[in-house]
Amino acid sequence: DQQVKQNSPSLSVQEGRISILNCDYTNSMFDYFLWYKKYPAEGPTFLISISSIKDKNEDGRFTVFLNKSAKHLSLHIVPSQPGDSAVYFCAARDSGSARQLTFGSGTQLTVLP
Amino acid sequence: NAGVTQTPKFQVLKTGQSMTLQCAQDMNHEYMSWYRQDPGMGLRLIHYSVGAGITDQGEVPNGYNVSRSTTEDFPLRLLSAAPSQTSVYFCASSYSGTIQETQYFGPGTRLLVL
Repeated sequence: DQQVKQNSPSLSVQEGRISILNCDYTNSMFDYFLWYKKYPAEGPTFLISISSIKDKNEDGRFTVFLNKSAKHLSLHIVPSQPGDSAVYFCAARDSGSARQLTFGSGTQLTVLP
Repeated sequence: NAGVTQTPKFQVLKTGQSMTLQCAQDMNHEYMSWYRQDPGMGLRLIHYSVGAGITDQGEVPNGYNVSRSTTEDFPLRLLSAAPSQTSVYFCASSYSGTIQETQYFGPGTRLLVL
C-alpha cells in the first residue's frame, strides 16, 4: 500500500517550457513534504519543501504547490533546462514517526533541447 | 566537509555471505538512516537512528542489522545475503533541530547478490 504515489514514471518537456511533476498521498498525518532530485550514480539531493500549513513555496525556478483537501502536491519548474533532466522523488514526513520519510517511486524528467 | 560518504561503491556477494556497508558523516548530524532503492519502488527505509546508541527499524528491516556507536558512523550489516537484497543502498543524515530539516544523502552502494 503506497502512501506516496507518483503515477507518471516519465515526463518529457521542451527546453524553456514548464515541467509539472505530480504526487498524491493518502496519509493525513503527513505534515511536511519534500522534493528530491537524483542524477544517475549519485544520491538524491534536496530540492524544495513545503509545510502542511502552507499551500505554496517558491525557490527560483522551482515552485511546490500543496492541495491538502485533494492530498496532492506538484512541483513546477519554469523555465525547464536540460540540466533539470533527472529523476524527481516526492517524499512526505509523518508527524508522529520520528522524522521518517516516505518516498514516491519517482518521475524521470527529460528536458529536450 | 565531505558530507555523507559511503563505501564501497559497488559490491558483488554470493548468497549467504555477510558484509557491512559503511556510512559516515562529518556534519555532526544526530539523525541517520539507511534506504534501499529498487526499480519502480522509490526509496524504502531500512533502519534509522536518532542519536548515538539509539536505533530503530524502518519499513523493510529484515535481513539487516545496524549499530550507532558514534555520531559519525552508521554501518549497515547484511547477515546472510540473499538475491532479494540486490539493490542500491543510500545512507542519509540530518540535523534534528528544526521542522524544516532535510536529509542529506550519500552517493550510494550498488549491491549485487548472486
